[in-house]
Amino acid sequence: DVKVTQSSRYLVKRTGEKVFLECVQDMDHENMFWYRQDPGLGLRLIYFSYDVKMKEKGDIPEGYSVSREKKERFSLILESASTNQTSMYLCASSLRGTTDTQYFGPGTRLTVL
Amino acid sequence: EDQVTQSPEALRLQEGESSSLNCSYTVSGLRGLFWYRQDPGKGPEFLFTLYSAGEEKEKERLKATLTKKESFLHITAPKPEDSATYLCAVGSSNTGKLIFGQGTTLQVKP
Repeated sequence: DVKVTQSSRYLVKRTGEKVFLECVQDMDHENMFWYRQDPGLGLRLIYFSYDVKMKEKGDIPEGYSVSREKKERFSLILESASTNQTSMYLCASSLRGTTDTQYFGPGTRLTVL
Repeated sequence: EDQVTQSPEALRLQEGESSSLNCSYTVSGLRGLFWYRQDPGKGPEFLFTLYSAGEEKEKERLKATLTKKESFLHITAPKPEDSATYLCAVGSSNTGKLIFGQGTTLQVKP
């Protein structure tokens, strides 16, 4: 079975803090994704990566950056957290293309105060 | 423009009362239609991928079907543990991304 893990289930940070969200997949998948999920807005793609050190902007990249130094690990960075970044963050991975079946992690509920 | 619409937004069923969830889509080059189940506070769990019109897949009480414009998720004799939000997504060859619907929240009462 594919397993995608995220470093924290719940996280509380202060405005202006730098925040790191980590995601690890154990199935040698090529592609990894970061989404945020908000009520009424659904799932929105922040960034994705199709290879080590490669990244592409999604639909809402502003205020975020990412890092993929190893194939199995994809990090989302909030350089200076703001209250409007309070959300559920979901990491996913897929084996082949970016439109292949995506497998999701358990999510990180981030609250920025 | 690629778009996915799910209906209804919410559905309440009695245990054993079969029904269907709808996912209508418009996409430039379908690269798969995906169904996920999501429990509150958790990540989406993959259920099915369908690739071409006429294709059907089943898992326990769930059956997914696909036409050129929509997909249905049929739930036969549901149980309370089937209560969840069901998400539909399509893969777009135009954007190279998955486009998600807003989901249907299903509640099954005993």
